Parts: sequence; structure tokens; C-alpha cells
Amino acid sequence: AQKVTQAQTEISVVEKEDVTLDCVYETRDTTYYLFWYKQPPSGELVFLIRRNSFDEQNEISGRYSWNFQKSTSSFNFTITASQVVDSAVYFCALRDGGGSEKLVFGKGTKLTVNP
Amino acid sequence: GAGVSQSPRYKVAKRGQDVALRCDPISGHVSLFWYQQALGQGPEFLTYFQNEAQLDKSGLPSDRFFAERPEGSVSTLKIQRTQQEDSAVYLCASSFSAGPSSYNEQFFGPGTRLTVL
Repeated sequence: AQKVTQAQTEISVVEKEDVTLDCVYETRDTTYYLFWYKQPPSGELVFLIRRNSFDEQNEISGRYSWNFQKSTSSFNFTITASQVVDSAVYFCALRDGGGSEKLVFGKGTKLTVNP
Repeated sequence: GAGVSQSPRYKVAKRGQDVALRCDPISGHVSLFWYQQALGQGPEFLTYFQNEAQLDKSGLPSDRFFAERPEGSVSTLKIQRTQQEDSAVYLCASSFSAGPSSYNEQFFGPGTRLTVL
């Protein structure tokens, strides 16, 4: 069965600190896809990144970076030099490569960046 | 272009009432998804469509929940005889392509917050 675990329920940092959000997943499929979404206080989920299971290259986009490690079934997300606007709930999600396109989400990590 | 839109944004229903929630996906998007998000939790899958075909309804919690997308565009999620445990935010999402080999991201709407009294 598919499962996504985000062990950190809430994280609080001071502006300009770096912060890493953890995501551990479980799946029996050899082909699968991983996603990160941001849910700001307004409520709308915003897509950040997708990764397929064949591409373990880490990715950097501005202050955001992602570390995908199949050996530990982890897909962690780091924000460098955090800003107050980064405050949101962040969700990691998994989609298997089989028939259904449904996403399985973790419970989310609430990040608060204080000025 | 316009994103995914949902209406109403807020709905208050008395226990036992029927409700209908609407989703307008991004134009041209083939797949449409419904998720339920309880307070403080991640979204949970309910059902999805590829065009007008409902391909997976494994997440619908009971036979009181019904979804349709008759013309492959707009979708409606209907909940009959609402119960207090149905109170949640109902999210709709759409994606451009479909099929096992596609992994396009899903674009989410703002959600409908349903409160059952």
C-alpha cells in the first residue's frame, strides 16, 4: 500500500534560517512519482515540484532544493534563507505508476517563519 | 488562463440535507480529481475522471457520495443526507494529460468548505 509520512507536524524558524522538511514514502511499485505542494493560509494548494522514480538527480530552484534518495525512500525539501512568505503548510505526495492517477498525501508540515 | 474554480466556496448544511459542489477544471484538462481535506490533515482522494469516465471511486466514503462529469468538463460532487463527519474542505484538481505514463501535476481549486450542523 502507498503511504507518505511527514513526521514533522510543525516547525518554527526565524527569517533567514535554513529549514528542511522531511518526507518518507512507501510503495511497492518500481515506477512512481513524488510531488511537493504548498498550502498558504489562503488554502489553495500550489504545486512546487514533481519527481519520477527514475530520476534521482537533486534539484534546485532559487531558494528551494529537493533531495531524492531511493535508498532511504525519502524526498526531502530544503528552503534556504527562509522568508516570512514561506509560512505555509507543505505537503509531500506520492502517485504510483499503475492505473490510478490519485495522489496520496502526507499529513503536512506547518512551517512558520518569524521575522 | 483561468485556474480551477469551485462553487460555492462555503456551504452550511443541516444534517440530513443533500448538497452539490461544483468544479470547473482548467479548459482542456483531461483528468479531474476530488479530494476531501479534514482540518489539520492532508487531502484524501475521493474519486477521479478521465474525460467523462469515472476511473477510480475507491475513496468515496459511502454510497451517500456521488460524483459525475457528464460532458467531460464540469464536475459535480453530491453528498446525500449529510452527516457531521462530512464537514471538511472539498478540493477539486485537474491535470492536462492522462494515463499511467503521464505524471503531470494536478492543479487545485480553492476548495469548498462544507460545514454540517
